[in-house]
Amino acid sequence: DAGVIQSPRHEVTEMGQEVTLRCKLISGHNSLFWYRQTMMRGLELLIYFNNNVPIDDSGMPEDRFSAKMPNASFSTLKIQPSEPRDSAVYFCASQYRGELFFGEGSRLTVL
Amino acid sequence: AQSVAQPEDQVNVAEGNPLTVKCTYSVSGNPYLFWYVQYPNRGLQFLLKYITGDNLVKGSYGFEAEFNKSQTSFHLKKPSALVSDSALYFCAVLISGSARQLTFGSGTQLTVLP
Repeated sequence: DAGVIQSPRHEVTEMGQEVTLRCKLISGHNSLFWYRQTMMRGLELLIYFNNNVPIDDSGMPEDRFSAKMPNASFSTLKIQPSEPRDSAVYFCASQYRGELFFGEGSRLTVL
Repeated sequence: AQSVAQPEDQVNVAEGNPLTVKCTYSVSGNPYLFWYVQYPNRGLQFLLKYITGDNLVKGSYGFEAEFNKSQTSFHLKKPSALVSDSALYFCAVLISGSARQLTFGSGTQLTVLP
């Protein structure tokens, strides 16, 4: 298994642009988590899904952020419009028996 | 509510010396405890976990952790540190039977000096 796959690995965009981050889960894992990591705030949970249903989105910072899980193996995190303070590394992770399996992250820079 | 504390932002140790990275937790039920490691520009990788049973848990790369219920701690240890162990280490807790989200600590940067 290739593990959790995230794309793009790096994204540089200008303020106001739409950003879409993608995540492919490990087959058979039915929970998905989106995290954001910054130097200031550390690792923050944004949202998590179980069986494609959003369970807790209380960590989503603003309405500019949205996440979808259209099927059991794929999820997107969208930021529209993006702002410089959204610059961070965004991780997705799938879960199996309590253990999280992280992707390599998408480093977002908003100019 | 569950919480995890990593009291040290930074730990420095000489290569070959034993290392300890501290973690304490606060939960109202039975905890599942985890350690993850993050190397530069990489995602977090699982090191070890405590679910139940023996309080001393052995994990990847020679690491181990001891669950201490009375002190509500789960310190990460290694008898002899390697320069390649230098990384960011996260402790995390999950309450058994609860919703599935882990609560992570703030992370401890471990630097092993040659």
